Amino acid sequence: DIQMTQSPSSLSASVGDRVTITCRASQTINTYLNWYQQKPREAPKLLIYGATSLQSGVPSRFSGSGSGTEFTLTISSLQPEDFATYYCQQTYSLPPTFGHGTKVEVK
Amino acid sequence: QVLLVQSGAEVKRPGASVTVSCQTSGYAFTGYYIHWVRQAPGQRLEWMGWINPNTGGTNYAQKFQGGVTMTTDTSIGTAYLELNRLISDDTAVYYCARDKGCASCNYATLDEWGQGTLVTVSS
Repeated sequence: DIQMTQSPSSLSASVGDRVTITCRASQTINTYLNWYQQKPREAPKLLIYGATSLQSGVPSRFSGSGSGTEFTLTISSLQPEDFATYYCQQTYSLPPTFGHGTKVEVK
Repeated sequence: QVLLVQSGAEVKRPGASVTVSCQTSGYAFTGYYIHWVRQAPGQRLEWMGWINPNTGGTNYAQKFQGGVTMTTDTSIGTAYLELNRLISDDTAVYYCARDKGCASCNYATLDEWGQGTLVTVSS
């Protein structure tokens, strides 16, 4: 199985900050990389698919980049509703696997 | 509006079975794969497998082969996940999710999710 490693595991930030989360795959996955946001007691929400494509309805402050084995999720200006846990997921090969998550907390 | 509504929380004894349902609405049920993903307490999301509601075809993660069964009832737009021979490590929130089905996504890009069903396995 392809292992997905996220960094950092958690971070503290303030409203208005630029936040960057990194995800690394144990082997190349081209651009088959998705990002999800999960809030406590809620289901995950798709933010970015295909490494860079913004899911419909997701604010443009979210963006994704990368290819191969290294990927980044950026929140350009953190909003109060963005405090959550973020997961990357590879869909290059079965089984699809997720990172362990990055928790974005209030500073 | 696309909705996936799951059945309520369950508490089961080790060795028992449980079935979780996922009732969909707002889209063509047979046009999109349904995936099941679980999340144990404090753990990452774990893909369990998918079902093609149009054909009934399934693909289970190796870890879950022999222990889960995914089915659908197309007449009511509902998917089911049956878990057999439960152990304490199966305690988790189980989610159904719709595959986005886009050409550039490959499988398991999940754009709509159920609210989750907590299954607790305890003696």
